[in-house]
Amino acid sequence: EPEVTQTPSHQVTQMGQEVILRCVPISNHLYFYWYRQILGQKVEFLVSFYNNEISEKSEIFDDQFSVERPDGSNFTLKIRSTKLEDSAMYFCASLGFNMDKNIQYFGAGTRLSVL
Amino acid sequence: QKEVEQDPGPLSVPEGAIVSLNCTYSNSAFQYFMWYRQYSRKGPELLMYTYSSGNKEDGRFTAQVDKSSKYISLFIRDSQPSDSATYLCAMREYNQGGKLIFGQGTELSVKP
Repeated sequence: EPEVTQTPSHQVTQMGQEVILRCVPISNHLYFYWYRQILGQKVEFLVSFYNNEISEKSEIFDDQFSVERPDGSNFTLKIRSTKLEDSAMYFCASLGFNMDKNIQYFGAGTRLSVL
Repeated sequence: QKEVEQDPGPLSVPEGAIVSLNCTYSNSAFQYFMWYRQYSRKGPELLMYTYSSGNKEDGRFTAQVDKSSKYISLFIRDSQPSDSATYLCAMREYNQGGKLIFGQGTELSVKP
């Protein structure tokens, strides 16, 4: 069964450093998302991406964040200058359409630890 | 008022019990309702997906939506230890590609 793949599974970085989280969405999917989950809290929407541009973003997704689809398969989330409060699980999701489903499929996540 | 409210539990039941998990929501624009299962430090895995009021059954799982009361439920029959996980309700508005809004998640433990 096709799946969303995320790398790395765990990223440790120093405060102020840039990180890039990578995702390979399911082939032929059209919408791509990033969500995050701070330990013990709910999964929160960050950004959605469609047709090579951001379609929606949350208040969390400020100027420190950016997304890119550099080629036909990868979807990345960049945090320019990490803060301690950026420590969380980051989930990539992709959305496919068929006759009776409209479902976002999630990757296993990248655990970001900012020290 | 939070958009989606879900009792975080934890909920502990004996094997074979019927489990009832619930969410309430405030946004009447929500049209699509999902239940995801999440194991520790893993990504959410879709269990059930509904878009209309009423019941939808899939094996031991039944999803129930009451749009008039803004209330959704997931029932698990004959619960198994392997059902032990966190269950997340999620919902979104009608627009295709729209973001999901999640509940807090309910941690379920099924004891052998």
